[in-house]
Amino acid sequence: AQTVTQSQPEMSVQEAETVTLSCTYDTSESDYYLFWYKQPPSRQMILVIRQEAYKQQNATENRFSVNFQKAAKSFSLKISDSQLGDAAMYFCAYRSALGGSEKLVFGKGTKLTVNP
Amino acid sequence: DAGVIQSPRHEVTEMGQEVTLRCKPISGHDYLFWYRQTMMRGLELLIYFNNNVPIDDSGMPEDRFSAKMPNASFSTLKIQPSEPRDSAVYFCASSFGNEKLFFGSGTQLSVL
Repeated sequence: AQTVTQSQPEMSVQEAETVTLSCTYDTSESDYYLFWYKQPPSRQMILVIRQEAYKQQNATENRFSVNFQKAAKSFSLKISDSQLGDAAMYFCAYRSALGGSEKLVFGKGTKLTVNP
Repeated sequence: DAGVIQSPRHEVTEMGQEVTLRCKPISGHDYLFWYRQTMMRGLELLIYFNNNVPIDDSGMPEDRFSAKMPNASFSTLKIQPSEPRDSAVYFCASSFGNEKLFFGSGTQLSVL
């Protein structure tokens, strides 16, 4: 079974600075998807960024970018120019591309604090 | 589209009572997922459906939990009888194929 590990339970960053959240995963599959979700105190799960494993190019969404290292099974999230609104729990997730295994497997999350 | 709609947003009940959580997925989505979130265990998949058919229910804790999807626009998660350890936030999510999952706002369940 696939597993997702987020080794940083908590992180903090100064407003306007850059922070990187780590994520590693374990799988024997070659085709899959990786996601970062944000969960603010409102508890709404918000998709931040999505990466297809077959794409070598790292995904970017405005201030959010990933460093996808397929061989190392690593998928880190970089937040640039951090804003107070970025404070939230961040979850890394894996989804198989195989039929019958489409569930999203989540890491335990990283709580990000943004200091003014 | 209004997104994934869950009801109720909060539910407080007493141990032994039946609880029914409801979900309306985004129109056109063919996958529906039920997740449970607790501090101790994080986000756990309970069950998911593809085209209204349950595909994987291995995450359903025990026989007290059941889920149905009678049509493409509605699903329920039922707990009978409820226990205090069932207290959690329950999320419903839907997707079209392997595209991103869209989550509902969740139901905060408290079993006293």
